[in-house]
Amino acid sequence: AQSVTQLDSQVPVFEEAPVELRCNYSSSVSVYLFWYVQYPNQGLQLLLKYLSGSTLVKGINGFEAEFNKSQTSFHLRKPSVHISDTAEYFCAVIFNTDKLIFGTGTRLQVFP
Amino acid sequence: DVKVTQSSRYLVKRTGEKVFLECVQDMDHENMFWYRQDPGLGLRLIYFSYDVKMKEKGDIPEGYSVSREKKERFSLILESASTNQTSMYLCASSPGGGMNTEAFFGQGTRLTVV
Repeated sequence: AQSVTQLDSQVPVFEEAPVELRCNYSSSVSVYLFWYVQYPNQGLQLLLKYLSGSTLVKGINGFEAEFNKSQTSFHLRKPSVHISDTAEYFCAVIFNTDKLIFGTGTRLQVFP
Repeated sequence: DVKVTQSSRYLVKRTGEKVFLECVQDMDHENMFWYRQDPGLGLRLIYFSYDVKMKEKGDIPEGYSVSREKKERFSLILESASTNQTSMYLCASSPGGGMNTEAFFGQGTRLTVV
């Protein structure tokens, strides 16, 4: 079955530290990859997406992600986090249909 | 801007009631989705619709049905609400037609079944 795995349910970091949120998916077929963010009591907002082309994708708020086809991964990174980055982050994948499949989410908590 | 509107932000219903959650999008999108979000489980797809009157089961369709009579509206129906359906429900839409672009989400409906 097609699936998306986010191994870290929670990631605590201090402000200004770098962070990586991990995402792996189950299939090596052509995929489209997304990271969404959900701030407390809000809906989901797109951070970035990979559809084709360069494997390094830059998004909003200083986030970036790298598509690694051989490792079926799409990890999200930020070199220096801010308190306002505290939120839940979801990796999502479109496999061979238009269905968008989500991971279980990673709660990023940034401490001062 | 794309807007996806869910009819209620908060809803409280009694066990056994029939519940309708409504979702409307204003960008002529082909695809519409219903997810439920639970802590530690992420977003799980309940149903997906890729055209008017067309639907496809997601990962957890049991206890739910959907209706899409018009392109802009996608309704989720709980035939007989149960306490284990207490959750946050999120509606989304995307262009479809192989465009594979992002999905746009509503603000969510937090349903409590008592």
